Parts: sequence; C-alpha cells; structure tokens
Amino acid sequence: AQSVTQPDIHITVSEGASLELRCNYSYGATPYLFWYVQSPGQGLQLLLKYFSGDTLVQGIKGFEAEFKRSQSSFNLRKPSVHWSDAAEYFCAVLNSGYSTLTFGKGTMLLVSP
Amino acid sequence: DVKVTQSSRYLVKRTGEKVFLECVQDMDHENMFWYRQDPGLGLRLIYFSYDVKMKEKGDIPEGYSVSREKKERFSLILESASTNQTSMYLCASRGSIQYFGAGTRLSVL
Repeated sequence: AQSVTQPDIHITVSEGASLELRCNYSYGATPYLFWYVQSPGQGLQLLLKYFSGDTLVQGIKGFEAEFKRSQSSFNLRKPSVHWSDAAEYFCAVLNSGYSTLTFGKGTMLLVSP
Repeated sequence: DVKVTQSSRYLVKRTGEKVFLECVQDMDHENMFWYRQDPGLGLRLIYFSYDVKMKEKGDIPEGYSVSREKKERFSLILESASTNQTSMYLCASRGSIQYFGAGTRLSVL
C-alpha cells in the first residue's frame, strides 16, 4: 500500500530564511505527487504537483519541490520565508487506480520574527 | 474560479442527533471525497464517490454514511452523532487536481 511520511511534525524558521519540508513516499510505479497548504481553520490549497517530466516543479507563492526517485522523496522548498507562510503543509501521493490520495500527517511551519 | 462549498463552517449538535454535512462542487467532477481531520492524525478518508449513486468506503467509514444523488452534491450523514465524532470535516472533489472545501468544524456535545 502507498504511504507518505513527513518526518517533521513542527518546524520553526526565521522570517527571510530558507525552508525545506521533507516528504518521503512509498509507491511502486511513477508517483503523482502533491503538496498542499492549510491555513488555520481553512481547507487545503494546492501548492504544486508532479505528474511527470521535469523533476523540479514550481508552484504558487514562490514554492518549489524536487522529485528524487532514487530517494523516494518530494521535498518542498522556498528560498525566503514570509510570516504569512506559517501554516500546515501536507504531502500526498495519488494511489494506484487513481482513486484516492494518501496524505502525510502534515508539518506545521512556524515563522519567527 | 473553482469552488467546493461546504454548507456550514461550524456546527454544534447533541449526542444521538442525525447530522447532515453538505458539499457542492461546480467543476463537474466525478470524484468526491469526505475526510475528517484530527490533530496528530492528519486527514483520514471516510467515504468517496466516483459517480452519482456510487460510493466506496474509505479508511474510517464506521458511524457514517453518504449520499450522492446528483453529480455536484455529496452529503455526509452521521446517523446518530457521538462525542468521538467531534472533528473538522473536509469535502473535496477531483478531476486531475483535488480541490477542498473550507471545512466544517463539528462539535458533538
């Protein structure tokens, strides 16, 4: 069965510093991968997706992610974090048969002044 | 603009009540989903539907049922609400991308 691991439950980053959120997946074939962001009390918003092709994908709000098959990873990055980026971030993989998504348990990003 | 609309942002119900959570999407998607979200447990899939009148159990269907009479509408039903069903409920629909509603925070007292 597919699985997604986000090893960090919480991360604190200073405003203006760079950010990397880790995501590891377990999937037999080429995965379809996603990163979502959830602001407090809100639903999830799609940041970016990887289906195929270029392994470095650009998303909204200045985020990017790199697919590394050899490491089964899809880490999310941002070069300079803003206070408004404080939120919870979820990595997800589309399950075989393309029926459902499997989500990681999320990483809460805190931004310090 | 893409829209998944959940009928209520906040609900307070009594134990034993029948509760309906409604979700409507305007993207003509075939696939719709109900999740619950609890701290430390992430998103857990309750039920999903891939077509009108079709439904599939997710990971935690016990205590819930669903209804999909029209393509745009997917309802989650708590037949007899219990306190352990206090949670945030998220509806989603998917074409190539999965879109989420804003969520319904349900408190069962």
